[in-house]
Amino acid sequence: GQNIDQPTEMTATEGAIVQINCTYQTSGFNGLFWYQQHAGEAPTFLSYNVLDGLEEKGRFSSFLSRSKGYSYLLLKELQMKDSASYLCAVMDSNYQLIWGAGTKLIIKP
Amino acid sequence: NAGVTQTPKFRVLKTGQSMTLLCAQDMNHEYMYWYRQDPGMGLRLIHYSVGEGTTAKGEVPDGYNVSRLKKQNFLLGLESAAPSQTSVYFCASSEGAGGPHEQFFGPGTRLTVL
Repeated sequence: GQNIDQPTEMTATEGAIVQINCTYQTSGFNGLFWYQQHAGEAPTFLSYNVLDGLEEKGRFSSFLSRSKGYSYLLLKELQMKDSASYLCAVMDSNYQLIWGAGTKLIIKP
Repeated sequence: NAGVTQTPKFRVLKTGQSMTLLCAQDMNHEYMYWYRQDPGMGLRLIHYSVGEGTTAKGEVPDGYNVSRLKKQNFLLGLESAAPSQTSVYFCASSEGAGGPHEQFFGPGTRLTVL
């Protein structure tokens, strides 16, 4: 079966750095996406990785290792507004997104 | 641009009632999707469309029907609602299927079936 695993909840301090991990087992791989979802709102796109390595975009970076079935999202200089759920999704061989349950990130002052 | 819009935002149904959720996008996207989101679970694909006049089943299609008569609209129907269909429903659209084509989401419809 297809499976995406990520921690249910994480807590971090304002101004710090946090890494959210995602491991996956899917039938085929056509890229990995990270989305942010604030409570009661729609998911919004953060990043896309299809090749191994690190993609940096401002305070957010995303890393992919296809051989290990592993990705992480790195958030630097955390702000209170970063309190949200972070969703990992893998595009399978049918070009459909398989979604993890999300990681709820709590930022404390 | 409004992006992706959904109506209604909230709805309460009784078991056995029917309803239609409307999704509209103004980005001229070919691909449209309906997902449901339940606590502790990832988004699950109900149905999707790769273009006007086409629809296909996703992971959890039972109890739902869809239509894509116009490119900008994607309708999700519940013919006989059941409590198991209580969920938050999201519509999304994308320019293409693969590559870096991100999906853009609507604000969601919160449906409760009593």
